[in-house]
Amino acid sequence: DIPMAQSPSSLSASVGDRVTMTCRASQNIINFLSWYQQRPGKAPRLLIYAASSLQGGVPSRFSGSGSGTDFTLTIDSLQPEDFATYYCQQSYTAPFTFGPGTKVLIK
Amino acid sequence: EVQLVQPGTEVKKSGESLRISCEGSGYDFTKYWITWVRQVPGKGLEWMGRVNPATSYVNYGPSFQGHVTISTDTSMSTVYLQWSSLTASDTAMYYCATHRDYGGHDAFDFWGQGTVVTVSS
Repeated sequence: DIPMAQSPSSLSASVGDRVTMTCRASQNIINFLSWYQQRPGKAPRLLIYAASSLQGGVPSRFSGSGSGTDFTLTIDSLQPEDFATYYCQQSYTAPFTFGPGTKVLIK
Repeated sequence: EVQLVQPGTEVKKSGESLRISCEGSGYDFTKYWITWVRQVPGKGLEWMGRVNPATSYVNYGPSFQGHVTISTDTSMSTVYLQWSSLTASDTAMYYCATHRDYGGHDAFDFWGQGTVVTVSS
């Protein structure tokens, strides 16, 4: 297994803020990393794959970066619908492990 | 439009068996793997395993190997997740999702609405 870590576990932000969260893999996963958004009571939604490729239909305020073991998800100009939990997931090898999530709260 | 349809809820007792379904529509069902993800109430996402509907080949996560069975019925465009003997620790939301190859990168892009499984003792 490749354990994944995320920080912070939660953060408070206001509408319009720029938000950054990080994901760290326990070993080099090159750029085999995806980000998912999960709103309360809803299924997860794919935002980014291959560390930095935006999934179709996802707003351009979301961006991903990183390679190797350290990755970042940035949300520019946070919108009300962005308050959710964000999970990273490695697709380098099965089992395809998720991080524990970062919850974005309204300040 | 790709859609995955799952039943909403299942309520069972410890020791009972259960099979939940995930029916795909809007695409060639044999074209994409289907993956299962567990979410215990208030917790994060756990990858359980995946099946290739074209070949019925299955990968399981080590935490789930031997405890669940994933299968497929291509004539019904449906994938199943099955338990032979439930325990209270199986109480969770279970999602299915298409598990697709984006230029060599796997990602889960279309998700079902999830099935809530509640197991009482």
